Amino acid sequence: DGGITQSPKYLFRKEGQNVTLSCEQNLNHDAMYWYRQDPGQGLRLIYYSQIVNDFQKGDIAEGYSVSREKKESFPLTVTSAQKNPTAFYLCASSTRQGTITDTQYFGPGTRLTVL
Amino acid sequence: DAKTTQPPSMDCAEGRAANLPCNHSTISGNEYVYWYRQIHSQGPQYIIHGLKNNETNEMASLIITEDRKSSTLILPHATLRDTAVYYCIVRPGTGANNLFFGTGTRLTVIP
Repeated sequence: DGGITQSPKYLFRKEGQNVTLSCEQNLNHDAMYWYRQDPGQGLRLIYYSQIVNDFQKGDIAEGYSVSREKKESFPLTVTSAQKNPTAFYLCASSTRQGTITDTQYFGPGTRLTVL
Repeated sequence: DAKTTQPPSMDCAEGRAANLPCNHSTISGNEYVYWYRQIHSQGPQYIIHGLKNNETNEMASLIITEDRKSSTLILPHATLRDTAVYYCIVRPGTGANNLFFGTGTRLTVIP
């Protein structure tokens, strides 16, 4: 089955600890994205990557870091500098930006709770 | 900045058609209308998108007005599994990274 996987589904961490969220896709998509969703709100873009070894900041990149060493993988690290890390994190992928229809497809999400 | 306006909530009887409206009066000529839905605690699911013409797929139909300032997503025979928050999004066909999800319409399908 082709798709996007995120693990784990639920994650608990102590305040001050860095944590890395996994995102893997086997859709052969070039572009990948990380969003954050807070209760009752829409999605906000954290980082995106159009191609391996390249990524760009989104609207709320402060306190987060990413890497894109492989086409299939786009892990997100929530650092201790992120003031309000508790949220629902969503990963998405799409065919390469610049095509006429680059529909984004989403993974199931990781709910991070910082205690 | 919100480019779309949707009612916050709607109810629909099971088996009936659910018609979800969306206003996008400032849409540009190169912007598509996308619809996603999100079931509680899951990732958003792509439903359908269109530019000018009406579109239909196995999930839904999308009706776009001639002036493109509004659209309607139609779920022809709503089931309880269609209970979700539905998001209407406008975005350029190329060059856009962000999907702006507003607060959407919470559709409740009633038995």
